[in-house]
Amino acid sequence: GEDVEQSLFLSVREGDSSVINCTYTDSSSTYLYWYKQEPGAGLQLLTYIFSNMDMKQDQRLTVLLNKKDKHLSLRIADTQTGDSAIYFCAESDTGRRALTFGSGTRLQVQP
Amino acid sequence: DTGVSQDPRHKITKRGQNVTFRCDPISEHNRLYWYRQTLGQGPEFLTYFQNEAQLEKSRLLSDRFSAERPKGSFSTLEIQRTEQGDSAMYLCASSRGGVDTEAFFGQGTRLTVV
Repeated sequence: GEDVEQSLFLSVREGDSSVINCTYTDSSSTYLYWYKQEPGAGLQLLTYIFSNMDMKQDQRLTVLLNKKDKHLSLRIADTQTGDSAIYFCAESDTGRRALTFGSGTRLQVQP
Repeated sequence: DTGVSQDPRHKITKRGQNVTFRCDPISEHNRLYWYRQTLGQGPEFLTYFQNEAQLEKSRLLSDRFSAERPKGSFSTLEIQRTEQGDSAMYLCASSRGGVDTEAFFGQGTRLTVV
C-alpha cells in the first residue's frame, strides 16, 4: 500500500530558510501536497504539485519533486515565527482522490 | 460560505456508548471525505462520498462505524459501542471533484472515550 514518510522535527532561526522533506512509495501518485496544521486548527492546504512537474514556486514556498527517487521537499524562504506548525506531506492518485498523509514534521522557528 | 463545518467540536463519551458526528461541506462540493487523526500522526482516510454514493471505505472503518450522506449534502459518521481506541480527532473534508483537487478541511471533532 501507499506510504509517506517525513522527518519528525525541524528547528530553524527566524529569517533562515526551512526545508522539509518527504518520501513516498506509490508510483501512481498523481498529486502531491503540503498541508499546514497549527495547534487547535484544521489542516490548511499550502500548495500542491502535479507529478509531471519538478518544481513549483508560490511566494515564499518552493516545492521540488524528484519523481525518480519519489522525494518531495518544501522550502520556506525567510521563515517567520508564524510559520511554526506541523507540516504534512500527502499524496493521491487520479482515481482515488483520497489523501495518504505522512506523520508530519514539526517546524519550530526560534526568534 | 464559511467553509467545512463540523459538529460537535468536542465529544466525551463513556465506553460502549454510541456517538454521531456531523459534517457540512462547502455547498458546491460534491466529494466529501472522513479522516481520523490520532496524536502525533497524520490523518488516515476512512471513507469518501461522491454526492450521496459512498465510493470507498478504508479497512480502518470497522463494522462499528457507519457513514451516510443521504441527500448528497451533509454527512454523518456514527460510531457504535465506542472503545477507548476510538479516541481521536475526526476530520471531514470536501472538494469539487473533477480536475479540481483541492480538499478543504473542517476543524474536526475531537472524541474522547473514557
